[in-house]
Amino acid sequence: RKEVEQDPGPFNVPEGATVAFNCTYSNSASQSFFWYRQDCRKEPKLLMSVYSSGNEDGRFTAQLNRASQYISLLIRDSKLSDSATYLCVVKGSWGKLQFGAGTQVVVTP
Amino acid sequence: GAVVSQHPSRVICKSGTSVKIECRSLDFQATTMFWYRQFPKQSLMLMATSNEGSKATYEQGVEKDKFLINHASLTLSTLTVTSAHPEDSSFYICSARYGQETQYFGPGTRLLVL
Repeated sequence: RKEVEQDPGPFNVPEGATVAFNCTYSNSASQSFFWYRQDCRKEPKLLMSVYSSGNEDGRFTAQLNRASQYISLLIRDSKLSDSATYLCVVKGSWGKLQFGAGTQVVVTP
Repeated sequence: GAVVSQHPSRVICKSGTSVKIECRSLDFQATTMFWYRQFPKQSLMLMATSNEGSKATYEQGVEKDKFLINHASLTLSTLTVTSAHPEDSSFYICSARYGQETQYFGPGTRLLVL
């Protein structure tokens, strides 16, 4: 079983709509959680950290459910520039980052 | 934010040759650098972790004699893919971190082995 699992998508989203997707992780001792964004043929870039109480950054909202071991990302009022692959990242033991394979989001005009 | 550079950004080589990739932290001292590999439509896979001045720690299944890592200074780590083969073609990404702070990723190096 993979340590971090994501729905690969693609999620096709009309511009202005809301999209949400989850990620599950297997290690209950995981300490920190992040969403990264990766554009085609580029390196991943930190989008936001995910806090236990949930947090929001502009149009992006992240939630953490430790009991069910999943995190979620919601994007409101989608923009064309939001088209990317969103990587779920979990920080496990020894500070290592475990990456999901990513969820592709395609925002259409 | 902090900047990490990689060189070269793209390399094409013949099977059997060795390729060196450099990773530099430009505006901070990286006590730890990480090397990842990403195949198409797959997640980043950690290959090895290197701390300045000590030997790299390789992940299970990664051959240390094939992927040579040198972290000679607090701002430079190199990955050498020795005797590269077509199956080594991939996107290699480094990241750098000071202490337990945020990891910053380099722009990646695309390796194509013919």
